[in-house]
Amino acid sequence: AQSVTQPDIHITVSEGASLELRCNYSYGATPYLFWYVQSPGQGLQLLLKYFSGDTLVQGIKGFEAEFKRSQSSFNLRKPSVHWSDAAEYFCAVGGLNDMRFGAGTRLTVKP
Amino acid sequence: DAGVIQSPRHEVTEMGQEVTLRCKPISGHDYLFWYRQTMMRGLELLIYFNNNVPIDDSGMPEDRFSAKMPNASFSTLKIQPSEPRDSAVYFCASSYSTGGIDTQYFGPGTRLTVL
Repeated sequence: AQSVTQPDIHITVSEGASLELRCNYSYGATPYLFWYVQSPGQGLQLLLKYFSGDTLVQGIKGFEAEFKRSQSSFNLRKPSVHWSDAAEYFCAVGGLNDMRFGAGTRLTVKP
Repeated sequence: DAGVIQSPRHEVTEMGQEVTLRCKPISGHDYLFWYRQTMMRGLELLIYFNNNVPIDDSGMPEDRFSAKMPNASFSTLKIQPSEPRDSAVYFCASSYSTGGIDTQYFGPGTRLTVL
């Protein structure tokens, strides 16, 4: 069965610093991978997704993620964090009818 | 498009009362999902529909929970009777399937508090 692990429950970074959020997955076949962001009081918004092809995926708001099959990872990165990036980030794996979400990583941005 | 619409945004009720949550998916989407989000369990898929037909309800926690989709533009999630442990944020999401895999678009959620 597929599963997703986000090892970091909470991360704090300074504004302007780089960011990397970790995601590890377990999946029996070629995974379909997603990163979603949830702002307080809001629903989840898709940042980016990987289905196939180039393992470095560009998303909205300046985010990117890299699929590494050998490490079963799909880490999310941003070179320079903005205060508005403070939110909760969810990694997800699977397909339309068997998607599993990680527990989420809460990002705090210090001024 | 207005996106996925959920109502109410907040619901406070007393234990034992019936609660009905509503969702309007994005027009043209043929999949609809209901999720529950709690601090303890994270985001859980409760049930999903394809073309208004329930496909997988294995995530529905108990018989107190039921979901319907009478047409392509409307779905309800009902809890009867409600209990304090049902307190959570309930999300509806919709998607259009292209080859079976696609992006889910989430509504803003309904925050349910059962006293």
